[in-house]
Amino acid sequence: DVKVTQSSRYLVKRTGEKVFLECVQDMDHENMFWYRQDPGLGLRLIYFSYDVKMKEKGDIPEGYSVSREKKERFSLILESASTNQTSMYLCASSERGSHQPQHFGDGTRLSIL
Amino acid sequence: AQKITQTQPGMFVQEKEAVTLDCTYDTSDPSYGLFWYKQPSSGEMIFLIYQGSYDQQNATEGRYSLNFQKARKSANLVISASQLGDSAMYFCAMIRTDSWGKLQFGAGTQVVVTP
Repeated sequence: DVKVTQSSRYLVKRTGEKVFLECVQDMDHENMFWYRQDPGLGLRLIYFSYDVKMKEKGDIPEGYSVSREKKERFSLILESASTNQTSMYLCASSERGSHQPQHFGDGTRLSIL
Repeated sequence: AQKITQTQPGMFVQEKEAVTLDCTYDTSDPSYGLFWYKQPSSGEMIFLIYQGSYDQQNATEGRYSLNFQKARKSANLVISASQLGDSAMYFCAMIRTDSWGKLQFGAGTQVVVTP
C-alpha cells in the first residue's frame, strides 16, 4: 500500500513565524502535491512537483514556497505565517500519468495565532 | 478554466439504501478524467473510483458506481446499500490529461448514514 506521511497531525504557530510542513511518500512517485482544505471550498492546490527540484505553482501559491530535494520528500514552507493560513493542509503523491489516482496523507491541521 | 460543481452540501441516507451524489463539470478539454474521493471525519482522503472521458463503460468498484453522462457533463457517484461507515465527506475531482496530474476539486458533499 502507498503510504504518504505528514510530519504533524496538529500544529500551532504564531503570526510571523516560518513554518515547515513535511511530507514523505514511500512509493517512488514522481508527482507530489500540497493542498489546503477549507470548509465550502474543497481542496485547493498550492504547489506541485513532478520531479526532484522541479516545482510549479498551483492556484493559491501566495505566501507559500516548497522544496523537493529528494524524490520522496516534499516540504511546504510558510515564509511568514499569517492568521489566514490557518487551515487543513494535505499532501498527496501520484505516479506520472493522467489516470493515476493521488494518494493522500492524513493531513496537518495548522492554527496560526 | 475548469470547474467542478457539487450542488448538495449535505444529505442524510438510511442504512441499506442507495444514494446518488451529484457532480457536474465544465471543461473544453476533450480528454479528461474524473475521480471520487471519500474523506471520513478522521481526515484522510480515500480514492474511490475513476472514469476517463473516453471510457466506453461507466466505472464500478464494489458498492460504488459512476453514472457518467458525457453530453450533460455529469459524473454522479452512486453508493449502493449504504453502511454506517459510509458517513463522510465526498469529493468529485477532475484532471486534465495535459496537467501533470493536477486535480480540480468540487466543494464536497457531506453524507450521514442513519440506522
